[in-house]
Amino acid sequence: DAGITQSPRHKVTETGTPVTLRCHQTENHRYMYWYRQDPGHGLRLIHYSYGVKDTDKGEVSDGYSVSRSKTEDFLLTLESATSSQTSVYFCAIRGQLSSNYGYTFGSGTRLTVV
Amino acid sequence: QKEVEQNSGPLSVPEGAIASLNCTYSDRVSQSFFWYRQYSGKSPELIMSIYSNGDKEDGRFTAQLNKASQYVSLLIRDSQPSDSATYLCAVSTGKAAGNKLTFGGGTRVLVKP
Repeated sequence: DAGITQSPRHKVTETGTPVTLRCHQTENHRYMYWYRQDPGHGLRLIHYSYGVKDTDKGEVSDGYSVSRSKTEDFLLTLESATSSQTSVYFCAIRGQLSSNYGYTFGSGTRLTVV
Repeated sequence: QKEVEQNSGPLSVPEGAIASLNCTYSDRVSQSFFWYRQYSGKSPELIMSIYSNGDKEDGRFTAQLNKASQYVSLLIRDSQPSDSATYLCAVSTGKAAGNKLTFGGGTRVLVKP
């Protein structure tokens, strides 16, 4: 089982406050991703990383920033949380075997912005 | 038009029957295809990957890929109540696109005893 943990698991925050979600992996995977999942929209890519300090935007990146200063940690920051960012956030790592490039997901962070 | 499309369901199947799920995608250069299962309140779990045309079997699951027609399907044989979940189809266009996966909206499957 790929070692990937997300923290916190649940968070309630107020509109306008900054929030940082953490994704930690223990298997030296190069590629890491942040998705959000909302009813009616499915999983949508926010940002991804292909190495330390190498990140790029996904389809719903507005209002979010990321950082990856170490291979094992990928941080997602909501600079000023809005109610539209209430969602379940999943971090994922990509398999490194040519026989399986699928993602393994963390357990998710349920974020509520009030 | 969404890049990856699935019927949202629910797809209701009796226990022991075959559940058939379909997924179509729009990007012809897509190279890798995946099926995930997601139980309510849980994270998606990879159940199948397929990279070339044809069928791939793993236990009770069979994935079928037809790149010419741009569809990928999943068959679940001998469906069990524990197979009741949402099944997500995901497509990747490979390294040039950062190995990003684009997901369909998912098909909810209900297996009735």
